[in-house]
Amino acid sequence: EAAVTQSPRSKVAVTGGKVTLSCHQTNNHDYMYWYRQDTGHGLRLIHYSYVADSTEKGDIPDGYKASRPSQENFSLILELASLSQTAVYFCATGLGANTGQLYFGEGSKLTVL
Amino acid sequence: GDKVKQSPSALSLQEGTNSALRCNFSIAATTVQWFLQNPRGSLINLFYLVPGTKENGRLKSAFDSKESYSTLHIRDAQLEDSGTYFCAADITGNTGKLIFGLGTTLQVQP
Repeated sequence: EAAVTQSPRSKVAVTGGKVTLSCHQTNNHDYMYWYRQDTGHGLRLIHYSYVADSTEKGDIPDGYKASRPSQENFSLILELASLSQTAVYFCATGLGANTGQLYFGEGSKLTVL
Repeated sequence: GDKVKQSPSALSLQEGTNSALRCNFSIAATTVQWFLQNPRGSLINLFYLVPGTKENGRLKSAFDSKESYSTLHIRDAQLEDSGTYFCAADITGNTGKLIFGLGTTLQVQP
């Protein structure tokens, strides 16, 4: 059974619309992360969180908000979706602090038209 | 991709042959992880490394923090090894935030 589940797995949104991507974990990890992957490229960190009710900016936070209402759940919010935000988004969990690897969800493919 | 450089960018192998992938870091990495992104798009954990070497079946990986590089060796390549291999470095030492390379796309031919 998948320990990191993302929803939706695929979404088409209109420019200027609001998009929420959700991530749920059963790993009991403190750290959760949102990465985006653009076609033919590696992953870049958007936001992360190490405790409920707190989020931190990653390397490319502009245009994105994040929410961590509980240890298990971490959402990525695009208030005003733009064409440049078309990408595949991955959620990951980890223990942080040099204590182990990250575990990724299956990804959410977002197309903004 | 500037801080973590992977080579080669693409590679084609015959089934049964061996190969080595490399990551060079221009930043001080504390740990390194290797992932395989399969044709379905899923990211599969291969290795988590502190400085040193690990082996798992036909795969072997090493991380040299002093010389700032990591390698992934594939022995006896199989068709299911095809996909894109990513290395990623943690430079913070306490958050688990990773900086990814751009990947090496491997195609294993029968």
